[in-house]
Amino acid sequence: QSALTQPASVSASPGQSIAISCTGTSSDVGGYNHVSWYQQHPDKVPRLIIYEVNNRPSGVSDRFSGTKSGNTASLIITGLEADDEADYYCSSFVSSDTWVFGGGTKVTVL
Amino acid sequence: QVQLVQSGTEVKRPGASVKISCKTSGYTFTGSLMHWVRQAPGQGLEWMGKLNPSHDGGTSIRFAQKFQGRLTLTSDTSTNTVHMEMRSLTSDDTALYYCAKDKHGAWSIDYWGQGTLVTVSS
Repeated sequence: QSALTQPASVSASPGQSIAISCTGTSSDVGGYNHVSWYQQHPDKVPRLIIYEVNNRPSGVSDRFSGTKSGNTASLIITGLEADDEADYYCSSFVSSDTWVFGGGTKVTVL
Repeated sequence: QVQLVQSGTEVKRPGASVKISCKTSGYTFTGSLMHWVRQAPGQGLEWMGKLNPSHDGGTSIRFAQKFQGRLTLTSDTSTNTVHMEMRSLTSDDTALYYCAKDKHGAWSIDYWGQGTLVTVSS
């Protein structure tokens, strides 16, 4: 299966909001609400920030939220902070009972 | 607390095989799926496969299509350890390999191993 499509990079100033898209097909993103998002700082292990499209694990800031429309899911970060500078990956369950990740998006805080 | 502790760095020749272990603790081993994910240097995350440790292989194991026939996933309920073996290595397999615990019922990964670096070089 092909990787989900994410923009390579997104940048904004502190305090602003950004949205990162994650586009798949009806066999993955569009077919299930099993979309999750991960944050990865350089040389660190990925961290779950959103699961099941729009649910936050305990301890994750409410500045992070998720949505989905059709075959595209989105991660929204509001009130951008310096520590939000990281790589972000979406992931989805696939109809073949497998999973797939997006290519990743580098977020830069200007 | 949940811990996933992986085996150490590996250096392999092209054509060789590698086997990585992931010893778990702090949760019910048979209660969550285990995924394997890799990340080549400077690249993104790539899902490789998953297994249900409570099942003795077979129908509970799934692989990404590109790894079919080259990857073996096993679990040992006596030691709460999962293993990943990959054969016919090439330089393209040079990457950091993670075991990653499924967040039960939430279709996501909530805990990751520290990663095992596999370098394939002649």
